[in-house]
Amino acid sequence: NAGVMQNPRHLVRRRGQEARLRCSPMKGHSHVYWYRQLPEEGLKFMVYLQKENIIDESGMPKERFSAEFPKEGPSILRIQQVVRGDSAAYFCASSPPDREVGNTIYFGEGSWLTVV
Amino acid sequence: DAKTTQPTSMDCAEGRAANLPCNHSTISGNEYVYWYRQIHSQGPQYIIHGLKNNETNEMASLIITEDRKSSTLILPHATLRDTAVYYCIVRVSGTASKLTFGTGTRLQVTL
Repeated sequence: NAGVMQNPRHLVRRRGQEARLRCSPMKGHSHVYWYRQLPEEGLKFMVYLQKENIIDESGMPKERFSAEFPKEGPSILRIQQVVRGDSAAYFCASSPPDREVGNTIYFGEGSWLTVV
Repeated sequence: DAKTTQPTSMDCAEGRAANLPCNHSTISGNEYVYWYRQIHSQGPQYIIHGLKNNETNEMASLIITEDRKSSTLILPHATLRDTAVYYCIVRVSGTASKLTFGTGTRLQVTL
């Protein structure tokens, strides 16, 4: 059973370009979470999605950032007009459906975005 | 979700047991205790979780006090590869709610 798959693992973008990060959850998982980790800082929650729905986006910056989890295909975190402060590791995680009591969240290995 | 308190850092000699404490005095009855770790430049790794009974798996043991206000993660025979930041998190069960990470405990395993 493959784990949470993220790609690309490393991405370099010039200021003003767009960055798209993809996440394929573990098989059978219907919930996806995105976290950001700035250099030398902790993990910060960004957004929680189920298929075709955003459940909690309380940690998402109001501008330039968006996330989706379509019916088919991976979840996408999109950052428009990137700035140097967006340079960070972006981690995706997934979990099974709600009905599983104590359900566990598993993380991918991250996508490292560098804005030059 | 309830807040947790962990020591900032700890050292442990290789081969010895590492005991990482966590206080969660405001935990609710439907909140689980989860432990994750993050090895440098890697994604957070799930270790173990529990509600009120002690739990053990191939990685670690989790000891939860009877009043559930604190817990201890035990790595029975620490190795250099266990050097990481360890996070204790409480989270409501039965829903796919998010994990909220604190600052964790930086465990350094030494020769």
